[in-house]
Amino acid sequence: QKEVEQDPGPLSVPEGAIVSLNCTYSNSAFQYFMWYRQYSRKGPELLMYTYSSGNKEDGRFTAQVDKSSKYISLFIRDSQPSDSATYLCALNNAGNMLTFGGGTRLMVKP
Amino acid sequence: KAGVTQTPRYLIKTRGQQVTLSCSPISGHRSVSWYQQTPGQGLQFLFEYFSETQRNKGNFPGRFSGRQFSNSRSEMNVSTLELGDSALYLCASSPPGSYTEAFFGQGTRLTVV
Repeated sequence: QKEVEQDPGPLSVPEGAIVSLNCTYSNSAFQYFMWYRQYSRKGPELLMYTYSSGNKEDGRFTAQVDKSSKYISLFIRDSQPSDSATYLCALNNAGNMLTFGGGTRLMVKP
Repeated sequence: KAGVTQTPRYLIKTRGQQVTLSCSPISGHRSVSWYQQTPGQGLQFLFEYFSETQRNKGNFPGRFSGRQFSNSRSEMNVSTLELGDSALYLCASSPPGSYTEAFFGQGTRLTVV
């Protein structure tokens, strides 16, 4: 079993929909939680990060962490075709050794 | 501010050869990490360098090595290439004291034939 599990998708939604992306993890030592977006043939781009349970909002994006359930989520409001990409969760306990989920491919259709 | 720069962008090598990839971090970032991305295994941590010292190492064979120079630029080397080493190799740099901000380059696409 992998330390971080993420549904690979693809997830297809119409433009304007609310998107929910999720990861579960098994190691309770993880303290830092990040979401990355990766377009085809590009490197991952940091979207959001948090280090506590609860919600963090940034524009159309909301990151949610539930440490008791070992469950993290990224919500995208008013999704746009330009949001079509692979979304990766990344977790960290200390240092810069990130453990990634496998990524969820999102397609937002006009 | 310039981002993380990786060179070359694409490489084709033959089994048994060795290869060196280069990474220039964002100015002021002293931590440089390397990752391997494949369709089957996803993104996996290779190693991290900080102030010219390897600080963390992932679960990869000794054929994978790296180093960091005094200007924080980093190189990784893969010796005796195998077909399974074909992957996108990504470099990330992080600002001092941060465990949450890793900024990635575009990657080097290595194909081993």
